Amino acid sequence: DAGVTQSPTHLIKTRGQHVTLRCSPISGHKSVSWYQQVLGQGPQFIFQYYEKEERGRGNFPDRFSARQFPNYSSELNVNALLLGDSALYLCASSFTSNRDSFGQGTRLTVV
Amino acid sequence: DQQVKQNSPSLSVQEGRISILNCDYTNSMFDYFLWYKKYPAEGPTFLISISSIKDKNEDGRFTVFLNKSAKHLSLHIVPSQPGDSAVYFCAASEEYGNKLVFGAGTILRVKS
Repeated sequence: DAGVTQSPTHLIKTRGQHVTLRCSPISGHKSVSWYQQVLGQGPQFIFQYYEKEERGRGNFPDRFSARQFPNYSSELNVNALLLGDSALYLCASSFTSNRDSFGQGTRLTVV
Repeated sequence: DQQVKQNSPSLSVQEGRISILNCDYTNSMFDYFLWYKKYPAEGPTFLISISSIKDKNEDGRFTVFLNKSAKHLSLHIVPSQPGDSAVYFCAASEEYGNKLVFGAGTILRVKS
C-alpha cells in the first residue's frame, strides 16, 4: 500500500509569493492533518480535516489555509510568504485513530 | 508555551544497553500519548502509544511508562540497536483523534 505522499518534496519561493502544498492520504484514510516543523523543533499542528470539514486549527495566521477534496486529498496554501515560513511541512493521515501516518514532507525555503 | 517538553536534546548509548528517553507535559487534559521516530529525509513513524488509563505499554523492545501524577512519560528501548539511531518525538493529545502536540525531540545515537 502506498503511504502518505506529498508534493513537491522541495521548493524555493521568494518572500511575498504564494505556495500550494499537496498531500494524498493513505487509501481509506479520511482524516488529514498538516504540521509545520522548523529546524530544531517538533512538528507544530496547523490544520486537521475530516470528511472535508475543518476539524481543528492551530495557532497560525490567516495567511495559512487548507482544504480537503472529495477524494480526501488535501492542499495547504500559504500566502504572502515570510522568511519565517521556511520549514518542513508534514502531512499526516489517519482512519480513526491518533496513529497518524506521516508523509516525508515538503521542504519549503523562502528567500 | 511548550506543553510537551523533551529536555534532553541528545542521548548516546552503547549497543545492547538500555535507552531511556524522557518527556514531560503540562496540560492535564492530555489523555493519549505517543512516541514517533524520525530518520533524516523521512516523515515521523509511529512507534508506540499509551492512554491515560494505563501506566505501561509494551511492544517488543519498546516500553512506554506513564506517570500521570508527575506528568511524565518515558520510552525504554531494550536492547538498543544501531538502527534505533534517530530523532524521537514525544506527542500528546487531549482527545483520541485530535491534534497532536509534539515535543522538540531527542536525538538518540546508538554506538556499536
